[in-house]
Amino acid sequence: GAVVSQHPSRVICKSGTSVKIECRSLDFQATTMFWYRQFPKQSLMLMATSNEGSKATYEQGVEKDKFLINHASLTLSTLTVTSAHPEDSSFYICSASLPFTDTQYFGPGTRLTVL
Amino acid sequence: AQSVTQLGSHVSVSEGALVLLRCNYSSSVPPYLFWYVQYPNQGLQLLLKYTSAATLVKGINGFEAEFKKSETSFHLTKPSAHMSDAAEYFCAVSVGGANSKLTFGKGITLSVRP
Repeated sequence: GAVVSQHPSRVICKSGTSVKIECRSLDFQATTMFWYRQFPKQSLMLMATSNEGSKATYEQGVEKDKFLINHASLTLSTLTVTSAHPEDSSFYICSASLPFTDTQYFGPGTRLTVL
Repeated sequence: AQSVTQLGSHVSVSEGALVLLRCNYSSSVPPYLFWYVQYPNQGLQLLLKYTSAATLVKGINGFEAEFKKSETSFHLTKPSAHMSDAAEYFCAVSVGGANSKLTFGKGITLSVRP
């Protein structure tokens, strides 16, 4: 149980294009999902907290207009990187909170490369 | 505010040897503590968690951790390392609750020598 998927697992795009990443909780409903960014050899940095049916809460320094988050259902949150640039290249990981367990379960991650 | 300190970036052990990965935390409220493992190019897998119940927590793959409030520590151990344990290990802290953010340590790379 508590499986979280992400799609795509890897994406390469040209500078200036937008990329959408999906995060799904496969066997449970998640009112709260989180989006993280991880640079090579570094820890995870929280970008935003996504609550179903409401606006995401962004961490300080994260551009809301650049990283659009939508949590339209209890099993799906999406992260759209708008007008991507090479510095946005990174490993993006989502997690979903399993209700009543105080525990986040993580997706497998999405490797974004912006050329 | 909460924080996690994982001293050192790399630990190397021989196969069959004891694994000890250190984690110290800082929290103004009773913490919830987690250890996650990450294999290359993958997401994080939960190893074990402490959520104010038993202080000695057993997890998957033979790992366990002990919550010591007096030392503000939550060190991860495994009696006998296996080659498949080679990975990145992250300690994390939260205040609990579904909306609670995780604060991660910088991670430790575990290498296992044959």
